[in-house]
This record gives sequence, C-alpha cells and structure tokens, in this order.
Amino acid sequence: AQSVSQHNHHVILSEAASLELGCNYSYGGTVNLFWYVQYPGQHLQLLLKYFSGDPLVKGIKGFEAEFIKSKFSFNLRKPSVQWSDTAEYFCAADYGSSNTGKLIFGQGTTLQVKP
Amino acid sequence: GAVVSQHPSRVICKSGTSVKIECRSLDFQATTMFWYRQFPKQSLMLMATSNEGSKATYEQGVEKDKFLINHASLTLSTLTVTSAHPEDSSFYICSASLNRDTEAFFGQGTRLTVV
Repeated sequence: AQSVSQHNHHVILSEAASLELGCNYSYGGTVNLFWYVQYPGQHLQLLLKYFSGDPLVKGIKGFEAEFIKSKFSFNLRKPSVQWSDTAEYFCAADYGSSNTGKLIFGQGTTLQVKP
Repeated sequence: GAVVSQHPSRVICKSGTSVKIECRSLDFQATTMFWYRQFPKQSLMLMATSNEGSKATYEQGVEKDKFLINHASLTLSTLTVTSAHPEDSSFYICSASLNRDTEAFFGQGTRLTVV
C-alpha cells in the first residue's frame, strides 16, 4: 500500500541548532513529494516540493530537502532553526504519473524550538 | 498563491444533527477538491475526492452516506456530516490544486465538535 512515514514524532531543539526530519515513502512508481508546515492555529502551508529534476530542493524560510530515490527518502533540513519554526511538519506524497493533488500524509512531526 | 477558504472555522452541534462545511477556491477554478480529516496529534487522512459535476470518490472505510459531498460548481465543494455523533468530532480540511504543475492549497480547516 502507498504510505508515507515520518520517523520523528516530537523534536525539541534550541535556536541555531540544525534540523533534519526524516521522511520515507513506500514504492509506488512515480511520486511527487512535499513538505508542509502547520503553524499553531493556521492552515497548512507548502515549504517545498519535488516533482523531478535536481534532487536537492530548496524551499521557503531556509528549508531544503533531498530526494534520494534509492532510499525512498525525502528528508527535510534546515541548518539553523529559529524559535518561529516551532510548528507541525508534514511530509506528503502524490502517487501517479501526474500531480493529482491527492496526498498521502506522514504522521507529522512536532518541532519545538526553545529560545 | 491560490486561496482556499473553509467555512465555518468552528462548529458545535448536537448529536443526531447534520452539519455542512463549505470549501471555496477564491481565485481559481477547481474541478477537483479533496477532503481530509485530522484527529488530535495525528496526521491528515484523505476521506474523499470531490469532483465537479459528478459523484465523489470515497476512500476505503469512509461512509459515503454519512459524509455527503457535493461539488456543484467549480469553486465550491461542501461536506455534510449527517446524523453526527461525538466520534465524528474532528478537524476537517479541504484542499484544491490550480493545475497539475502546482501543489495543493489547503483551507484553514473546520473544527467540528459534536456534543
């Protein structure tokens, strides 16, 4: 079955620490990958996406992610987190040869950044 | 980016009554919208795909007679929770895509509490 798995459920970091959140997706052929963020009380916002091309994707707010096909992974990274990065982070996949908009989400990771 | 709006943002209803949630694409037309459900501290689970002018496609395990979806226009999809029970209390989120080259945009969600 198509699925997305996030390894870290709750991460606590101090400001300026580096961040890496794991995301693995199950094999299912062509896949488009996304990272969304949900700040407290707000709706989901796109951080970055991978459709094809350069496997290292840069997104907003200094986030980046690397698509490693051999590992079925799409980990999210940020070199130096800020207090304002405190939020819920979701990895998601859209399986299929075209971007359908139908997403399968990982369990989510709660990131808490201490000032 | 494109804007997707949901209404209401919060609703409390009595057990046995029905509740309608609206999802609108404000500045674009969406032939397809998606409805998700998010339990506390959990991820988003796709409930159904809403298709303009035709029947919705429900995911396995989702009761189509309980969660009625109507997509009567290119900018509006509605989700009606019929004969609501406390276990239907959840956060319901809709999404829509501009086209196949863009990511999905999410509404702000609707918090449903059934008492």
